[in-house]
Amino acid sequence: EAEVAQSPRYKITEKSQAVAFWCDPISGHATLYWYRQILGQGPELLVQFQDESVVDDSQLPKDRFSAERLKGVDSTLKIQPAELGDSAMYLCASSLAAGGPYEQFFGPGTRLTVL
Amino acid sequence: AQSVTQPDIHITVSEGASLELRCNYSYGATPYLFWYVQSPGQGLQLLLKYFSGDTLVQGIKGFEAEFKRSQSSFNLRKPSVHWSDAAEYFCAVGFTGGGNKLTFGTGTQLKVEL
Repeated sequence: EAEVAQSPRYKITEKSQAVAFWCDPISGHATLYWYRQILGQGPELLVQFQDESVVDDSQLPKDRFSAERLKGVDSTLKIQPAELGDSAMYLCASSLAAGGPYEQFFGPGTRLTVL
Repeated sequence: AQSVTQPDIHITVSEGASLELRCNYSYGATPYLFWYVQSPGQGLQLLLKYFSGDTLVQGIKGFEAEFKRSQSSFNLRKPSVHWSDAAEYFCAVGFTGGGNKLTFGTGTQLKVEL
């Protein structure tokens, strides 16, 4: 069964350092999403891609976060510099398209701890 | 702004007992609705979804949910809970024309007593 892949699964870093997360969506899925999930809360959308284009990054803290999906397949989310408040689970999801409604398939997530 | 409310933060049930998890949403347009389950340290797994049609939907692991437009609700039910159902459950809502974006509730943590 096709799955969304994410790496690393766990990341510990010190504040002010740079971190990067990688996501490989299900093959053929045009839409890719990055979510942040703070402990005890539901996922919150950070950025949504349709192929290689950003369609929504209204909740992405652009002073320190960046995301790219250069060839419209896999994607990287970067934080520079990391802050203590960035400690969270970062989830990647993909769907066939963005027109909706389509099911979003989630990866296992990257647990980030900022010390 | 759209919102999703899961009023129960924690629920404890005995194994074999029935379960109902509540979800209410606030939307102006026609919603589509999901229930996801998350085990500790894992991603989200889809339990069931409602797009249109029959308002009672069946999902995996014996779960079902009923969409009630008049109450803006999409409650999740299971007639007999198993110890392996202990996890966190999230309701999510999108709407037609919304670009497939989802708004999630804050989740309900389910504990199952043996």
